[in-house]
Amino acid sequence: DAKTTQPTSMDCAEGRAANLPCNHSTISGNEYVYWYRQIHSQGPQYIIHGLKNNETNEMASLIITEDRKSSTLILPHATLRDTAVYYCIVRVAFSNNNDMRFGAGTRLTVKP
Amino acid sequence: KAGVTQTPRYLIKTRGQQVTLSCSPISGHRSVSWYQQTPGQGLQFLFEYFSETQRNKGNFPGRFSGRQFSNSRSEMNVSTLELGDSALYLCASSLAETGELFFGEGSRLTVL
Repeated sequence: DAKTTQPTSMDCAEGRAANLPCNHSTISGNEYVYWYRQIHSQGPQYIIHGLKNNETNEMASLIITEDRKSSTLILPHATLRDTAVYYCIVRVAFSNNNDMRFGAGTRLTVKP
Repeated sequence: KAGVTQTPRYLIKTRGQQVTLSCSPISGHRSVSWYQQTPGQGLQFLFEYFSETQRNKGNFPGRFSGRQFSNSRSEMNVSTLELGDSALYLCASSLAETGELFFGEGSRLTVL
């Protein structure tokens, strides 16, 4: 019963920007949006998180709509190593980790 | 800084046996969470420990148990193994202040 909806799969050309959408229409005011990715057979890797302002780090950018009901993770220059399942999660920050609910995620395939 | 370390990485057991998995969190992280990942159910929360106390428990039977030591290292135990316990077991540590989870590579358990 994840609180987010993501497309099942997406393709992206190597070197191009990958834009991964996430719908979280029932997000509460104190819930953050977190993004993780999981490369095959490895543990999930934290990418970025935000509350309402757009965020950027060395890995990606996170764009959150003004009503906070959806967001987009942007990988500016996708490489083959970015092929992974990407999970969008909403949760209250600094809370207990039992609410870290991963949905099915989006399987991103970066093609040469 | 060393990441989250899980041992063993792979193991094979037979039905009825029991197994103990170990997790060493990132230095300074006092919260350790455990997750089970299967193709059918995705990532499911097992339990979370903070300062040697179990803070939360997921919806798993009592055969699944865990503990945390004074150095924050954690173990989880599964008794009377069933075929359905075959999964990737992931441990994650976090700083309570940030809410980001850092996952280990996981322990892949196969029950025959």
